[in-house]
Amino acid sequence: KNEVEQSPQNLTAQEGEFITINCSYSVGISALHWLQQHPGGGIVSLFMLSSGKKKHGRLIATINIQEKHSSLHITASHPRDSAVYICAALFQGAQKLVFGQGTRLTINP
Amino acid sequence: SQTIHQWPATLVQPVGSPLSLECTVEGTSNPNLYWYRQAAGRGLQLLFYSVGIGQISSEVPQNLSASRPQDRQFILSSKKLLLSDSGFYLCAWSRDGYEAFFGQGTRLTVV
Repeated sequence: KNEVEQSPQNLTAQEGEFITINCSYSVGISALHWLQQHPGGGIVSLFMLSSGKKKHGRLIATINIQEKHSSLHITASHPRDSAVYICAALFQGAQKLVFGQGTRLTINP
Repeated sequence: SQTIHQWPATLVQPVGSPLSLECTVEGTSNPNLYWYRQAAGRGLQLLFYSVGIGQISSEVPQNLSASRPQDRQFILSSKKLLLSDSGFYLCAWSRDGYEAFFGQGTRLTVV
């Protein structure tokens, strides 16, 4: 079954803290996406990964294919980083794009 | 460049009225297309996906249907909306088993 699990579901931290959000998936994937959803609902694509690590500004995404696990890190977190972060896996074979439940991140000043 | 258009951004509809949400894709051909729904406080749930014109797979039984009349057009419909159909609807497409692109979403409120 094509499943994607995220943790934690909710995360509250102080400004400046290092943030880690985790994503695990059940079977082989072609690619994994990290997305950001703001309160209005709009989706912003952050990263697309099939292996290794990507960095954009204060955001870092890593993926371990053998362990079927990906992480999103935010360095020097800021209140404007507050949003829901979602991972989405594109599963091989059926080509299904399945979303995790999302992690609601709140950064307090 | 590849883009995806989804409209409208917000919609308020009375119970029992019909629904039609449209999603169109530019810059690619024969994409895989997806419709998702996000109920309040929940994650994005896959409703339908399509690997080609006229080919629709339904993931969950519901009051909705989907159609793909053209290669780059994906439509989500309902004949009679229910209160429980309220939520955030998202269209997405993927290709080559790797890239994926996401619409801005439609927030539907059924009153």
